[in-house]
Amino acid sequence: EDQVTQSPEALRLQEGESSSLNCSYTVSGLRGLFWYRQDPGKGPEFLFTLYSAGEEKEKERLKATLTKKESFLHITAPKPEDSATYLCAVLGGAQKLVFGQGTRLTINP
Amino acid sequence: NAGVTQTPKFQVLKTGQSMTLQCAQDMNHNSMYWYRQDPGMGLRLIYYSASEGTTDKGEVPNGYNVSRLNKREFSLRLESAAPSQTSVYFCAAGRNSGNTIYFGEGSWLTVV
Repeated sequence: EDQVTQSPEALRLQEGESSSLNCSYTVSGLRGLFWYRQDPGKGPEFLFTLYSAGEEKEKERLKATLTKKESFLHITAPKPEDSATYLCAVLGGAQKLVFGQGTRLTINP
Repeated sequence: NAGVTQTPKFQVLKTGQSMTLQCAQDMNHNSMYWYRQDPGMGLRLIYYSASEGTTDKGEVPNGYNVSRLNKREFSLRLESAAPSQTSVYFCAAGRNSGNTIYFGEGSWLTVV
C-alpha cells in the first residue's frame, strides 16, 4: 500500500534561517511526487511535481529534490510569508494520490 | 486553484439528512478525487475516478457515494449524514500521467 510520512510535524524558524522538510514514501509505480502549500482556510496550492530520482525543481526560495525513498523541500532564507503547511503526496500506478500528514512551518520575523 | 470549482462552500446538515457536494473542472483532466481534511489527520482520500465512467474507493469511503457524471463533474453524496462526517471536503483534478493536480477551495460541512 502506498504510504507517505512527513517530518517534522511542525517547524519554527527565524526569518533567514534555512532548513529542509522531509517526505519519506513507499509507492508502487511512481507516477509523480507532489509538493503543495496550504494556507489556513484554503485548498492546497500546487508547488512541484517530481518524477524520478535525482530530479530537482526550484521556485523562489523553495527547492524540491527526489531520491528513490524520499523527497526534501529545502527552504532558503525564508520570509514570514512562507509560513504555511507543506504537504507531500505520491501518485502511484493505481492513480491514487496519497498524502502525508504535512509539516506546519512558522517563520518568525 | 484555477479550474476546479466546488459547491456549496458551507453547509450545515442535521443528522440523517442527505446532501451532494458538487465538483466541476474545466481542464479536461481524466482523474478526479474527493478528500476530507480533519485537524491533525491530513488529507484522506474518500473516492477517486481515474477516468469517466470509473470510480474506486480510497482510504475512508464508508458513508459516502460518488458519481462521475461526465469528464467534467464528480459529485460526492452523503446519504445519511452523521456528526463524524463534519469536515472540510476537497475535490481535485489531474492528468493520469501525473504532471499537475489542482485542488478546489474546499467545502465546509457541519453535521449537527
